Amino acid sequence: KQEVTQIPAALSVPEGENLVLNCSFTDSAIYNLQWFRQDPGKGLTSLLLIQSSQREQTSGRLNASLDKSSGRSTLYIAASQPGDSATYLCAAPGGSQGNLIFGKGTKLSVKP
Amino acid sequence: NAGVTQTPKFQVLKTGQSMTLQCAQDMNHEYMSWYRQDPGMGLRLIHYSVGAGITDQGEVPNGYNVSRSTTEDFPLRLLSAAPSQTSVYFCASAPRGTQGPGELFFGEGSRLTVL
Repeated sequence: KQEVTQIPAALSVPEGENLVLNCSFTDSAIYNLQWFRQDPGKGLTSLLLIQSSQREQTSGRLNASLDKSSGRSTLYIAASQPGDSATYLCAAPGGSQGNLIFGKGTKLSVKP
Repeated sequence: NAGVTQTPKFQVLKTGQSMTLQCAQDMNHEYMSWYRQDPGMGLRLIHYSVGAGITDQGEVPNGYNVSRSTTEDFPLRLLSAAPSQTSVYFCASAPRGTQGPGELFFGEGSRLTVL
């Protein structure tokens, strides 16, 4: 059974810092992995989708990497800004078609 | 661009009442799903659909019913509400990917309280 873990649960950094969020998964037979952002009281916004054949994806200041063999993905945020403050979640396929398993998220706070 | 639209945004029910959460998407996505989000539990899949006329159970399907008569709509029915169903519900849609859903798009959520 797929399990997705995100560590740390919360992170506070000063503005301008580069940071890495971690996501680990137990079943490496995945076809993709997704990273999302959730603002308080809002839905989830897709940030990056990495296909299993890719090692990384980039969008602006965000870079996500995927290492299936070690069961890990990282989300790198460059030059963090207060507007980056949100909860970041990763999700991996859970085996049965259509089932995505979410981590519990990392709550990021970027201080001005 | 509407994307994924959920209604209502807020609802209060009494135990035993029934209701339907509506979800509509305008992106012609084959895949649609319902999740619930609870503190400390994260997001859990309730039901999903890979196309019109096809539905399947997720991780926590008990007490919920779904149907998919059109590509656009995927309503979630609570048959007899219980306090344990107090939660925030999210609908999501995605195009078909290589072996499952592709990029997932979420609605804004429906906050349900059952008294």
